Amino acid sequence: DAMVIQNPRYQVTQFGKPVTLSCSQTLNHNVMYWYQQKSSQAPKLLFHYYDKDFNNEADTPDNFQSRRPNTSFCFLDIRSPGLGDAAMYLCATSREGGSEAFFGQGTRLTVV
Amino acid sequence: GESVGLHLPTLSVQEGDNSIINCAYSNSASDYFIWYKQESGKGPQFIIDIRSNMDKRQGQRVTVLLNKTVKHLSLQIAATQPGDSAVYFCAEKGSGGYQKVTFGTGTKLQVIP
Repeated sequence: DAMVIQNPRYQVTQFGKPVTLSCSQTLNHNVMYWYQQKSSQAPKLLFHYYDKDFNNEADTPDNFQSRRPNTSFCFLDIRSPGLGDAAMYLCATSREGGSEAFFGQGTRLTVV
Repeated sequence: GESVGLHLPTLSVQEGDNSIINCAYSNSASDYFIWYKQESGKGPQFIIDIRSNMDKRQGQRVTVLLNKTVKHLSLQIAATQPGDSAVYFCAEKGSGGYQKVTFGTGTKLQVIP
């Protein structure tokens, strides 16, 4: 059974048109992460939530925002997608103090 | 800035042989060092971790070694199988209440039947 679910699996958006990616979890973990992964590269952490506390990486562009309305759901908002934002976006969760992060299948974003 | 990185981008191994994937890290304050496996089109999957106060940890067909003196981490896979073909990433998790998980450069493991 999927524990971290990302929707949609594939998303095509127009240049400059806001887009939202969603993630839900059934693990009740208090930490949730968003990563950007480009081809043949390592996942790059954009931000993470520790409960409701939002932690933004210093080099995450302002174009990327996130919302976590409750424990189970987390959203990634890209306000004005550029061609360089085309990538796989991965959501993950972990419990506080644990080392294992559970990843969703990812959403592959294409910008046209 | 502090980072975690790998030496080899691609490793080809004959089926049945042992594989060794290496990683160098620079953040000595990390609490955990972790290996992930990522198959094509999927999210990373946790393989094994090692706490910073340990030198070695074994799992099923996998062993992780941590050398804090030279800041080196390795993943050994015994009797490599075709299903082991994937990209392997080392990662580290911060200490205390700092929950950030950051990834190093991946190594692609190709198993030759």
